[in-house]
Amino acid sequence: AQTVTQSQPEMSVQEAETVTLSCTYDTSESDYYLFWYKQPPSRQMILVIRQEAYKQQNATENRFSVNFQKAAKSFSLKISDSQLGDAAMYFCAYRRTAQKLVFGQGTRLTINP
Amino acid sequence: DVKVTQSSRYLVKRTGEKVFLECVQDMDHENMFWYRQDPGLGLRLIYFSYDVKMKEKGDIPEGYSVSREKKERFSLILESASTNQTSMYLCASSLAGAHNYGYTFGSGTRLTVV
Repeated sequence: AQTVTQSQPEMSVQEAETVTLSCTYDTSESDYYLFWYKQPPSRQMILVIRQEAYKQQNATENRFSVNFQKAAKSFSLKISDSQLGDAAMYFCAYRRTAQKLVFGQGTRLTINP
Repeated sequence: DVKVTQSSRYLVKRTGEKVFLECVQDMDHENMFWYRQDPGLGLRLIYFSYDVKMKEKGDIPEGYSVSREKKERFSLILESASTNQTSMYLCASSLAGAHNYGYTFGSGTRLTVV
């Protein structure tokens, strides 16, 4: 069974600084998708960024980017120029084609003003 | 704006009660899911459905059942609520075949069983 591990239960960063959230996963498949979701205090899960495993180029969405290392099975999220609105729980997730999403344990990110 | 709507934001029930958590989506999605979220454990899949009247067990189905009589509605049922079912419950939906688009989630129902 696929597993997703987020080893940082909590992280904090100063406003305007850069922070990286870690995620590793275990799979024997070569074709799959990876996601980062954000869950603010409103509890609404928001898709932040996604990566197709067959793409070598790292995905980027404005201030959010990933470092996808397929051989190492690592998928970290980098948030640049952190803003107060970035404070949330962040979940890494894995999905193999038609299969269901498997989530990591989550990382709570605090932004210090 | 497309939505997944969960009928209750907060719910308090007594041990032994039968509990219904309702979820409705307006995106004509084929797939619907129920997850449970607990601190330190992330989201764990309870049940999912790929079509009307179809259901499949997820990773932690014990103590739960589901119903999908209409495409837009997916209900989670706790037959006899217990205190260890106190948790946040998240409903989600997705379009069949759109594997790279992830899921659309509801805002969650925080259930407390006393």
